[in-house]
Formats: sequence, C-alpha cells, structure tokens
Amino acid sequence: QVQLVEFGGGVVQPGRSLRLSCAASGFTFSNYGMHWVRQAPGKGLEWVALISYDGSYKYYADSVKGRFTISRDNSKNTLYLQVNSLRTEDTAVYYCAKGGGSSWLPFDPWGQGTLVAVSS
Amino acid sequence: QSALTQPRSVSGSPGQSVTISCTGTSSDVGGYDYVSWYQQHPGKAPKLMIYDVNRRPSGVPDRFSGSKSGNTASLTISGLQAEDEADYYCNSYAGTYTYVFGTGTKVTVL
Repeated sequence: QVQLVEFGGGVVQPGRSLRLSCAASGFTFSNYGMHWVRQAPGKGLEWVALISYDGSYKYYADSVKGRFTISRDNSKNTLYLQVNSLRTEDTAVYYCAKGGGSSWLPFDPWGQGTLVAVSS
Repeated sequence: QSALTQPRSVSGSPGQSVTISCTGTSSDVGGYDYVSWYQQHPGKAPKLMIYDVNRRPSGVPDRFSGSKSGNTASLTISGLQAEDEADYYCNSYAGTYTYVFGTGTKVTVL
C-alpha cells in the first residue's frame, strides 16, 4: 500500500536550517506531484509547497517563498524540503502528501509528519 | 492567500446529520471544482474524505457527502457516529498551483 514516511525534524535555533525528507513506497513515485503541508501546534493546516512529478515545476506559499526549497530524487523515491532562515512561526508538524490528478489534487495519502521546533 | 472560513465547531447526537460550511471567494472555492475535505483525529495525520467537491474515495462511508454553491462548499455527515468526532478541514485550489485550507471545524458527537 502507499506509504509516506517523513523524517529530519528536530529542535533548531532561529535563523538555522534543516532538511526534511519523505520516503515514499507503494506507488510509482516519479508519476506524481508531491506536496508539503504544515500544522503549527493547536492550529490549522497550511499548504507549503508543491513539486511536479519530474521536479521541473515548483510552487510555494507566500509565507515560505525564498526561504524553503522543495526537491525530489526519483531514483530514491524521496521528497525533500530544505528549510532555511527558520523563524519561531515555522514551528509545526510538517507532512508530505501525494498529489492527485487534476491540479495535483487531492492530498492523498499523508505521512505521519515530522515536528520542527524553532526555539532559542 | 487567506484561509477559507469554517465554523469553529458543530455538534450533533448519534444518528443525526451535521453540515460544515467552507466559505471562500471566486478566486478559490467559487472558481474551481477542486474542493476536498480532510478528517483529522487528535495526534493523527489528516485523511481524505471528499475530493472534487463531491467525490468519495473508496473506503470512505457514504454517510459523508460534499456539495458546493457559489463560493461556499459544504460537507455533510449523515447518521453521525462516535468515530466521526474529529477536526475537519476543507481545501480548495486557488489557481497557479497554489492551495488554501479552511480554518478547521471540530465535530463533537454528543
């Protein structure tokens, strides 16, 4: 079955960087766009970024544009999110999700998430 | 992008129906038939319940249904069950490969 497993989160100081990873299995990874979505503690969901199936197109939420970079390695069935210049408001659980057909929707399924805590 | 507006909470007794609204603009909900709904239990990852406004993935009970009118989408849970108690989020395509979520609704089964 389709499985997504995120890792790479942790506690990091403001201004520092982190790389999150999402290992995919159970489907042909190179055929699907992939998303990152985050959820701050006790808050709602926020879409972060999308990468096309081949990595040629990347889109970002305004709140992370210029600081976060989404990428993928189809040979390793892995999705990445490079998060730079971290701010306290970036503290959240970061989920990866498989995109669907039209407009890379819906988000299905989701991984279990990895927590990024930005604190001095 | 502003979050779509959902009621903070809705509640109902077992067997009753509840409806959650999701209000956006003509640039998101009203402009595309790409509204989806996600269920999230505490400490768990979200789960897709409805996509493309009113389509149900396999495995999702037919008690869950979706609709849209103008800039407002709705999720209806008929025959409410205890396991339906969770947070629910709508999502809409907002053009140029950007996406916006709703503020979230807590469903309580009385």
